[in-house]
Amino acid sequence: SAVISQKPSRDICQRGTSLTIQCQVDSQVTMMFWYRQQPGQSLTLIATANQGSEATYESGFVIDKFPISRPNLTFSTLTVSNMSPEDSSIYLCSVRGTGPYNEQFFGPGTRLTVL
Amino acid sequence: DAKTTQPNSMESNEEEPVHLPCNHSTISGTDYIHWYRQLPSQGPEYVIHGLTSNVNNRMASLAIAEDRKSSTLILHRATLRDAAVYYCILRGLAGGTSYGKLTFGQGTILTVHP
Repeated sequence: SAVISQKPSRDICQRGTSLTIQCQVDSQVTMMFWYRQQPGQSLTLIATANQGSEATYESGFVIDKFPISRPNLTFSTLTVSNMSPEDSSIYLCSVRGTGPYNEQFFGPGTRLTVL
Repeated sequence: DAKTTQPNSMESNEEEPVHLPCNHSTISGTDYIHWYRQLPSQGPEYVIHGLTSNVNNRMASLAIAEDRKSSTLILHRATLRDAAVYYCILRGLAGGTSYGKLTFGQGTILTVHP
């Protein structure tokens, strides 16, 4: 299994500012992902964080708005830039395990409120 | 990506079995059927997965139709702690374009009554 921690756990931010969310994993993992969960909705994949190269973004998400860093195999950051109230969501970090089931593990999430 | 269809919500009583259905009529031959659940205020957690045969683990059982166009997650004795959103997800094999990604649908909200 993989234990994932995220910082901050929650934040309230002003419109137009940026917030960087950190994701730390207790073991080296190849694949890391960032998801968004808007209020009352399911999870939507934002991007795959690639170690040593640019992240791979899903349709509808762009690097200028959600820059991602992945400096090593245990850490990644997601920045939500130039925030608006529509960015109010829970942001979750996720990793794919290396065990026999290849299950995916999720962090506890960062609850972001933009005023 | 192949899609799944689940009921929006289901209800159960504590200590009774729960059968959560999932339709995936466009499943490809290399898609695995995964189930995750999301407890309130937590990230999703893995429940079970399978390809063709029925599967059992300590959390649940997965019954897969012979034509693989549907599956059922079975909780043998629901507890209050099983109240969650349950997601049925198709995931491709390694090397495919969908490998590594989990695409979440709306899931089924399971309510367990004492």
